[in-house]
Amino acid sequence: AQSVTQPDIHITVSEGASLELRCNYSYGATPYLFWYVQSPGQGLQLLLKYFSGDTLVQGIKGFEAEFKRSQSSFNLRKPSVHWSDAAEYFCAVGLASSNTGKLIFGQGTTLQVKP
Amino acid sequence: EAGVAQSPRYKIIEKRQSVAFWCNPISGHATLYWYQQILGQGPKLLIQFQNNGVVDDSQLPKDRFSAERLKGVDSTLKIQPAKLEDSAVYLCASSSGQGAVKLFFGSGTQLSVL
Repeated sequence: AQSVTQPDIHITVSEGASLELRCNYSYGATPYLFWYVQSPGQGLQLLLKYFSGDTLVQGIKGFEAEFKRSQSSFNLRKPSVHWSDAAEYFCAVGLASSNTGKLIFGQGTTLQVKP
Repeated sequence: EAGVAQSPRYKIIEKRQSVAFWCNPISGHATLYWYQQILGQGPKLLIQFQNNGVVDDSQLPKDRFSAERLKGVDSTLKIQPAKLEDSAVYLCASSSGQGAVKLFFGSGTQLSVL
């Protein structure tokens, strides 16, 4: 069965420090991969997505993610974190073969930013 | 461009009562999704509509949950009767296509069942 694992439930980084949020997926075919961000009381906002091609994808707000098929990973990175990045981050896999738009989400990583 | 609208924002009910949530997707979006997000978990798809037809309702607890999108625009999700474990945020999302393209999420309805 398809699944997404985000090993870190909670991460704290200092403002200006670099960030990496981990995501591992289990899926037998070529996945579509997504990172979403959710601020308190808000809906989910798409940061970036990977469908095919270049394995390093750029997103909004200075985020990037790298797809590594050999490691079944799609880690999210940002070189310098801002206080406004504090939020919950969700990795998700879309079932490319089914073409239904169904997303399976990880459990999320809460990011806290220290001043 | 207006986003996905959901109401109410919050709802508190007692177990065994019924409740309904409303969603109005982005204009022109044919695909509408209802997700359930339990505290500490990622969202889980309950049901997906393509226009007014159901594409996927495999994870919808059909003994108590129902959803409709009669005119292919707005949608209602109902729970009757509610259980304690239904406490969650119910997110509505829409997209212009049926494939795994960009989903636009509403702010959700936070349900507390006491």
